[in-house]
Amino acid sequence: QKEVEQNSGPLSVPEGAIASLNCTYSDRGSQSFFWYRQYSGKSPELIMSIYSNGDKEDGRFTAQLNKASQYVSLLIRDSQPSDSATYLCAVNVLTGGGNKLTFGTGTQLKVEL
Amino acid sequence: DAGVTQSPTHLIKTRGQQVTLRCSPKSGHDTVSWYQQALGQGPQFIFQYYEEEERQRGNFPDRFSGHQFPNYSSELNVNALLLGDSALYLCASSLGGGGGNEQFFGPGTRLTVL
Repeated sequence: QKEVEQNSGPLSVPEGAIASLNCTYSDRGSQSFFWYRQYSGKSPELIMSIYSNGDKEDGRFTAQLNKASQYVSLLIRDSQPSDSATYLCAVNVLTGGGNKLTFGTGTQLKVEL
Repeated sequence: DAGVTQSPTHLIKTRGQQVTLRCSPKSGHDTVSWYQQALGQGPQFIFQYYEEEERQRGNFPDRFSGHQFPNYSSELNVNALLLGDSALYLCASSLGGGGGNEQFFGPGTRLTVL
């Protein structure tokens, strides 16, 4: 079982719709969760972080965390063509005081006009 | 506020050679982590430096080594390059060596091994 799993997609949504991206993780010791956006040929850009169960909203983005189900999701409201990118889920586990991020393979999102 | 910077942007090497990549963290950050990203994959953790020491290491061979300087900048060295080392190498900076602190990535160095 992979440590962090994401559906590779592509996930296609029409402009203005809600895009829902999902991620599951295997290590119950995970404490911090992040979503990064990566445009083709560019480096990952941090868009959301979440540390406790529930929802966290930032503009058009909402991150949802359920530690009991080992599940984290990202909702993008009013999707725009500029949201078309690969979205990486990253999970942090504290081991020996370090701060290692484990990434999924990413979900490709396509927002269609 | 200066973000994370990396140099060089692109690099072409041949098998068996050695390479050094450089990273300067975001202003105010003291921790640098290095990742390797192959095409179509998520970044893979190589190691993390804090207080000039390697704090944690991923599943990479000893050919991969690093260093952190007193000004918090860092280098990644790869010896005896293999074709499979071709990838995007990412540096990420954060504040504090522990905790689930947010990591911010630099633009990356694209390494091609021929």
